[in-house]
Amino acid sequence: DAGVTQSPTHLIKTRGQQVTLRCSPKSGHDTVSWYQQALGQGPQFIFQYYEEEERQRGNFPDRFSGHQFPNYSSELNVNALLLGDSALYLCASTLLTQAANYGYTFGSGTRLTVV
Amino acid sequence: GQQLNQSPQSMFIQEGEDVSMNCTSSSIFNTWLWYKQEPGEGPVLLIALYKAGELTSNGRLTAQFGITRKDSFLNISASIPSDVGIYFCAGQLSDSWGKFQFGAGTQVVVTP
Repeated sequence: DAGVTQSPTHLIKTRGQQVTLRCSPKSGHDTVSWYQQALGQGPQFIFQYYEEEERQRGNFPDRFSGHQFPNYSSELNVNALLLGDSALYLCASTLLTQAANYGYTFGSGTRLTVV
Repeated sequence: GQQLNQSPQSMFIQEGEDVSMNCTSSSIFNTWLWYKQEPGEGPVLLIALYKAGELTSNGRLTAQFGITRKDSFLNISASIPSDVGIYFCAGQLSDSWGKFQFGAGTQVVVTP
């Protein structure tokens, strides 16, 4: 049973560019959240998708956008990249009706470096 | 930035010793989660807490949901080398389902 899979694992981009990160939730899960984890810090909540809609959003600018597809997979898009966007981007999934019992499962993340 | 205060920031302990860490907040949470993260991996859920005063164990790990609902504690008993990693607390506000705030983490180093 595959867990949460993220691609790519590593990425280097130049300031001003745009990037798309991808996430496939754990089999059976329908809700996806994205987090940004800067070096030496805890994950920061970006947003959450359920039924292809953004349900919750953290304190991130509009440059950060996302999408959820009918198969529950999700994308995180970041426009006009800044050096400060360099971080590990984590995707976490859950089954909405079971979240209270089982919490969220995290992927291994995408390491984004902006130069 | 971080809205949860997690302490200590790091711990260097000998194998066999017990470990204690905690998280505090000015906000009231309805859920506390404790995760462990190892290098190159995403966080892995250790314990979930849903009621004030709740005490839950997972093997050698024990966590408690503070009575005030503003804090939580994690204890690791009889530490072993594989306990090495960064431990994070995460809290959820009652009006923000699914939106978890994470602490900055406690790095645990276990020496033989």
